[in-house]
Amino acid sequence: DTEVTQTPKHLVMGMTNKKSLKCEQHMGHRAMYWYKQKAKKPPELMFVYSYEKLSINESVPSRFSPECPNSSLLNLHLHALQPEDSALYLCASSQEEQGGEKLFFGSGTQLSVL
Amino acid sequence: AQTVTQSQPEMSVQEAETVTLSCTYDTSESDYYLFWYKQPPSRQMILVIRQEAYKQQNATENRFSVNFQKAAKSFSLKISDSQLGDAAMYFCAYRLWMDSSYKLIFGSGTRLLVRP
Repeated sequence: DTEVTQTPKHLVMGMTNKKSLKCEQHMGHRAMYWYKQKAKKPPELMFVYSYEKLSINESVPSRFSPECPNSSLLNLHLHALQPEDSALYLCASSQEEQGGEKLFFGSGTQLSVL
Repeated sequence: AQTVTQSQPEMSVQEAETVTLSCTYDTSESDYYLFWYKQPPSRQMILVIRQEAYKQQNATENRFSVNFQKAAKSFSLKISDSQLGDAAMYFCAYRLWMDSSYKLIFGSGTRLLVRP
């Protein structure tokens, strides 16, 4: 299994809603990431979990709340989002191997905030 | 600060021809990793090729190869025998060690069009 699975694939929510994005991998990777990607832009790092501990938080607004319940799961809880938060949210996991770290990305959740 | 620059917003290539995508970066580190990622319309990021800075030999993966010029801080991607499936957004990326974790810094991307 070399997949990172993200659900849902598409999400439409209002500014008062609370929703969660889910990410799962069964490759035994100990680092997991959330990236945000606006249209025609590169991905921007939001959070990094290393061994289930938050190690990088790129000053993301508190309306985004990550959670890593175990080494295979990564959630992103959303609350009171703004229309400008509409974007593709990518999850990734990584392992260090010969030749360098290899990052595996999920196919993303396309989020629309109305 | 580490930065990654892709100066070509869009490139076009005829099917079966060769195309080179440019990437430059800035760093004060001596050992680091560089990557090229492909993002097709499905929007999933796919690793194309990677290069460790201390290795002199340019990395190659089938039709994909890099021209790594460490002194010039240049890391270009060459795609040979281009195929329609190569059409995608290509991102160059630099790996940074920060706060006990790795972080990828991406360039702005180059959209590759493949003409049949």
